[in-house]
Amino acid sequence: DGGITQSPKYLFRKEGQNVTLSCEQNLNHDAMYWYRQDPGQGLRLIYYSQIVNDFQKGDIAEGYSVSREKKESFPLTVTSAQKNPTAFYLCASSIVGQGGHNEQFFGPGTRLTVL
Amino acid sequence: GDSVTQMEGPVTLSEEAFLTINCTYTATGYPSLFWYVQYPGEGLQLLLKATKADDKGSNKGFEATYRKETTSFHLEKGSVQVSDSAVYFCALSVVAAGNKLTFGGGTRVLVKP
Repeated sequence: DGGITQSPKYLFRKEGQNVTLSCEQNLNHDAMYWYRQDPGQGLRLIYYSQIVNDFQKGDIAEGYSVSREKKESFPLTVTSAQKNPTAFYLCASSIVGQGGHNEQFFGPGTRLTVL
Repeated sequence: GDSVTQMEGPVTLSEEAFLTINCTYTATGYPSLFWYVQYPGEGLQLLLKATKADDKGSNKGFEATYRKETTSFHLEKGSVQVSDSAVYFCALSVVAAGNKLTFGGGTRVLVKP
């Protein structure tokens, strides 16, 4: 089955520690995205990548880092510099092109709690 | 910049009632418009989309029409079910912005039996 997987589903971290969230897709999509969702709010874009070895900051990139070494994988690291990291993190992917009509496919999300 | 505004929830309905969720947008280019649905504890799923003015997207009994003159994309369903309880997000993408999605704040819908 094609899709996007995120692991783990729940993640707990002590304040001051870095943590990496996994995102893998087997849809052969060129573009991948990371969003943050806070309770009762919409999604905000953290980072996105449209091609391997290249990525751009989204609206709230401070305190986060990413890498895109493989087409299938786009891990997100939440660093200790992120002041309020407790949130629900969603990864998505899409094809590139077709005039912007591209649907994004979402993973099931990772809920990060900082203790 | 690009933005999406949708009605705040929660919206509470009885089963078989008519549902409308308002969505308006501002965009620097010519956007594509989307409705996504999020069930509790899950990621988002595409519900429907429209890519040009006057297009109507439809899926699972839901409909939305791309109205360029009013910059709106309101979601409607004629008869809701308990299983339609979820959070609904309106979103847009513009080619000039690298196909990134801009989301509204989401509207929680609760359907009671």
